[in-house]
Amino acid sequence: ETGVTQSPTHLIKTRGQQVTLRCSSQSGHNTVSWYQQALGQGPQFIFQYYREEENGRGNFPPRFSGLQFPNYSSELNVNALELDDSALYLCASSLRQDYNEQFFGPGTRLTVL
Amino acid sequence: LAKTTQPISMDSYEGQEVNITCSHNNIATNDYITWYQQFPSQGPRFIIQGYKTKVTNEVASLFIPADRKSSTLSLPRVSLSDTAVYYCLSVRNNDMRFGAGTRLTVKP
Repeated sequence: ETGVTQSPTHLIKTRGQQVTLRCSSQSGHNTVSWYQQALGQGPQFIFQYYREEENGRGNFPPRFSGLQFPNYSSELNVNALELDDSALYLCASSLRQDYNEQFFGPGTRLTVL
Repeated sequence: LAKTTQPISMDSYEGQEVNITCSHNNIATNDYITWYQQFPSQGPRFIIQGYKTKVTNEVASLFIPADRKSSTLSLPRVSLSDTAVYYCLSVRNNDMRFGAGTRLTVKP
């Protein structure tokens, strides 16, 4: 069974650019959540997707958007990058929307210069 | 979801039992209490979850009093590899909100 994978591992962008991060959920999992983790902080919930629909959103502006595909893989898109967007972006999948155990990927480290 | 409060850091020695207590004063009826562990440059890893009383698995025990306003994660006989950040969360329908966590340092 393959765990949650994320790509790329590291990414460097400049302010104002756009970025797309990708996540493959664990086999059989239909729910994907995205988190932003700044250095020394706990992960902050961005949004969750369940069966290709957004199913909850944290306190992030609309320039953070996402997609979930029929195979339950997911993308996080961030437009108009700001310096404060530099963080570790984590994807987590869950067996189903009402199941409370989430399996996290290793994350993508985004640096905005 | 209830906001949780836990100590910023704790130190222990190898072989000791470690108890980390979390308060979640506004926990709702449908919330579960969940603990995650995170090593540097890795995603969090699920440790244990409970609703009330005591839950035990191969890694840890979780104690939740009747009023559910706090919980205690118990790690038996810690080793150096247990050095990590530990998060307690209240969880409802897969909606999880992390706090700053407790940084546990295990010394030889």
